[in-house]
Amino acid sequence: EIVMTQSPTSLSVSPGDRATLSCRASQSVNTNLAWYQQKPGQSPRLLIYGASTRAPGIPARFSGSGSGTEFTLTISSLQSEDFAVYYCQQYNNWPPKYTFGQGTKLEIK
Amino acid sequence: QVQLQESGPGLVKPSETLSLTCTVSGGSMSSYYWSWIRQPAGKGLEWIGRIYSGGSTNYNPSLKSRVTMSVDTSKNHFSLKLSSVTAADTAIYYCAREVAEASDNWFDPWGQGTLVTVSS
Repeated sequence: EIVMTQSPTSLSVSPGDRATLSCRASQSVNTNLAWYQQKPGQSPRLLIYGASTRAPGIPARFSGSGSGTEFTLTISSLQSEDFAVYYCQQYNNWPPKYTFGQGTKLEIK
Repeated sequence: QVQLQESGPGLVKPSETLSLTCTVSGGSMSSYYWSWIRQPAGKGLEWIGRIYSGGSTNYNPSLKSRVTMSVDTSKNHFSLKLSSVTAADTAIYYCAREVAEASDNWFDPWGQGTLVTVSS
């Protein structure tokens, strides 16, 4: 089973600063990695798929990178609406199974 | 655009069966996988399983013995049954559409989620 580990668990950043969130897979997932943003009381929102492709409507300040086992979500200039929990997600072809990281909570400093 | 809406009882007794339905609007269910994902309060996301529009299923091995999914494309909905529930099954349950392109897979969109509490 592929285990996804996100770091840090929480991150305090000032508005306007850059935030870098990490996600590590226990074995290679190639680029089959997505990122989601979840705000309190809301369902997760797709940000990035294929490790680096922004979903439609997602601002350019969000970028994803990586392949294999190491992935990064970067938010270049934090806005107030970006403070949320972020999850990474991978898909394993066989047996078919999705797993999520445990999440990184991005807090206002 | 496609929208998903979960529905079902918000309270289920221990040892009974949790039953939820996800209604899909704004698009066709054909040629997609449709998933259930849950989230205990304050915790992370767990994939429960998925069903293809044609009816084939894949379940999370950790829940496989208790999960049954079905689909009715004529009514634009799919369903989840989770048997023998315990307090550990208390969570927000989301339905979501799986998108697959060029060997990559992700969920979009998601339903708003429905809280199911297991309690006597």
